[in-house]
Amino acid sequence: SQQGEEDPQALSIQEGENATMNCSYKTSINNLQWYRQNSGRGLVHLILIRSNEREKHSGRLRVTLDTSKKSSSLLITASRAADTASYFCATDPNSGYALNFGKGTSLLVTP
Amino acid sequence: DVKVTQSSRYLVKRTGEKVFLECVQDMDHENMFWYRQDPGLGLRLIYFSYDVKMKEKGDIPEGYSVSREKKERFSLILESASTNQTSMYLCASSPVTGINQPQHFGDGTRLSIL
Repeated sequence: SQQGEEDPQALSIQEGENATMNCSYKTSINNLQWYRQNSGRGLVHLILIRSNEREKHSGRLRVTLDTSKKSSSLLITASRAADTASYFCATDPNSGYALNFGKGTSLLVTP
Repeated sequence: DVKVTQSSRYLVKRTGEKVFLECVQDMDHENMFWYRQDPGLGLRLIYFSYDVKMKEKGDIPEGYSVSREKKERFSLILESASTNQTSMYLCASSPVTGINQPQHFGDGTRLSIL
């Protein structure tokens, strides 16, 4: 079942600006993951943050997790046109094998 | 590099046909998944498998079946295709029982049912 909900649904920024996307979820989790999907392609895993972590960095990506608010944010700093894609959060509930994906944020970065 | 390969990028079939979508992974992963992706609905899990010959229903299994005879291959079957099954189908795999493990996706099959 879908648990994560990204916000905003769509985001348009210029190159060099920062992009922030948010994800809210409903039940307790083992971890939360962020994925990117370029148009017409499959999803690519970006970063995973465990439930006992509060912040994680990978290159220009910064992810935060607030389990008390059941929310996460993905920050892309100094965005580039190549960052144009849809971004999905996915939660790994305690109960099973599968991930629950949100509906995604569509990011457009213009030169 | 890890690789999940879906047999077709684009596929056009007719209503009532039996349709097979194939997925192969070369990472010796235990878990494999089939999702469909529709605008405004995101990714929805159809079926997954955590071992050879094992399968579990996801959120929307109706109208679909799956087969996993070998560890590396997971097939999605549309028993009698209908127009509401026109969609993007994504296959994924992950190692071991999903404990802090990312999923690796294929590039998808865009299926049109006429």
